[in-house]
Amino acid sequence: EIVLTQSPGTLSLSPGERVTLSCRASQSVSSRSLAWYQQKPGQAPRLLIYGASSRATGIPDRFSGSGSGTDFTFSIRRLEPEDFAVYYCQVYGNSPITFGRGTRLEIK
Amino acid sequence: QVQLVQSGAEVKKPGSSVRVSCKASGGTFSSFAISWVRQAPGQGLEWMGGIIPISDTVNYAQKFQGRVTITADKSTNTAYMELSSLRSEDTAVYYCAREGWQQLAQGFYYYYYMDVWGKGTTVTVSS
Repeated sequence: EIVLTQSPGTLSLSPGERVTLSCRASQSVSSRSLAWYQQKPGQAPRLLIYGASSRATGIPDRFSGSGSGTDFTFSIRRLEPEDFAVYYCQVYGNSPITFGRGTRLEIK
Repeated sequence: QVQLVQSGAEVKKPGSSVRVSCKASGGTFSSFAISWVRQAPGQGLEWMGGIIPISDTVNYAQKFQGRVTITADKSTNTAYMELSSLRSEDTAVYYCAREGWQQLAQGFYYYYYMDVWGKGTTVTVSS
């Protein structure tokens, strides 16, 4: 099973700032098998990025992803108020599917 | 556009079972897989298993093997997740999610990202 470690656990930032989140895998992951999700309180997760760097349908271009091997990053170019949420990375492809523990973005 | 409509909240006693449904509305899931993901209060996301309805191929996380059963009714575009021997630690929101899939070889499948999610079903286990 691939273990995904996300860092930091919590980040306090202000609207307008840029943020980069980290997701490190316990073993090498195919780039096409890494996704990022956003979850707001009381809502289901929403797919933002798949294949490490491809934006899902309707996702603004201020969201981006990159990385390969065991190190992946997710960035938001300029934080909007609605971006404050929890972000999860996920490895898919072969079983088992695993998620990181999430990074919480808080308004400073 | 496909939506996944889940059944309502459940309150169960320890030791009992719960079955949660997930119906594809506005389309079919014949060409997709359905995964089940749960989230305990204040915790992260945990994949439980999934099914490819067109072939009834199921895949379970090792943690839930023997306790979870995932099925699908193609005639009604509905997937089901049944969890037995419930304990308090199973109190969580249970989500279904749609994902693409590809057969790589006999018995081996590649599952894609989860692009459509149900709103979740709260299951509370309490005596």
